[in-house]
Amino acid sequence: AQSVAQPEDQVNVAEGNPLTVKCTYSVSGNPYLFWYVQYPNRGLQFLLKYITGDNLVKGSYGFEAEFNKSQTSFHLKKPSALVSDSALYFCAVRETTNYGQNFVFGPGTRLSVLP
Amino acid sequence: DVKVTQSSRYLVKRTGEKVFLECVQDMDHENMFWYRQDPGLGLRLIYFSYDVKMKEKGDIPEGYSVSREKKERFSLILESASTNQTSMYLCASSSNRPRLYEQYFGPGTRLTVT
Repeated sequence: AQSVAQPEDQVNVAEGNPLTVKCTYSVSGNPYLFWYVQYPNRGLQFLLKYITGDNLVKGSYGFEAEFNKSQTSFHLKKPSALVSDSALYFCAVRETTNYGQNFVFGPGTRLSVLP
Repeated sequence: DVKVTQSSRYLVKRTGEKVFLECVQDMDHENMFWYRQDPGLGLRLIYFSYDVKMKEKGDIPEGYSVSREKKERFSLILESASTNQTSMYLCASSSNRPRLYEQYFGPGTRLTVT
């Protein structure tokens, strides 16, 4: 079975500093990986994905993520954090079933960017 | 832009009532999903549907049923609401088209059962 781990419940970073939110995965076959962000009382918003190709993927709001096959990781990064980046971040992997696709989510990491 | 809409943002129901939560997507997506989100438990899949009239149980289907009569609409039904079903409910849809696999989420329905 596929699984996703986000080892940190909470990440605190000062505004202007680089941020990293960690994600590791376990899949059979090639991984399709995703990052989503959730602001308070809202649904999840898609940030970026890795399907194939370059290991460094760029997404919305200046975020990027690095796919590392040997370490089975897909960490989310941003060079300079903003207070408005404070939110809940979810990593997910697409799982192929007999009926199509499903998604397995990590538990989420709460990012707090301090002014 | 893909739009996923949910019928209510906030809902208050009494124990034992039958509750309908509706979700509509406008991008002709094949797949639709219902999740519940609770603090400390992340997103838990209730049911998903990969085609009209087709459904699959997720991780926590007990106490819920679903209906997908049209491709764009996926309904979640609580047959007899209970207080432990108080939660945030999120609907999502996704495509099977190559490289376009990401899910799109609705704004959520916060359901309180009293």
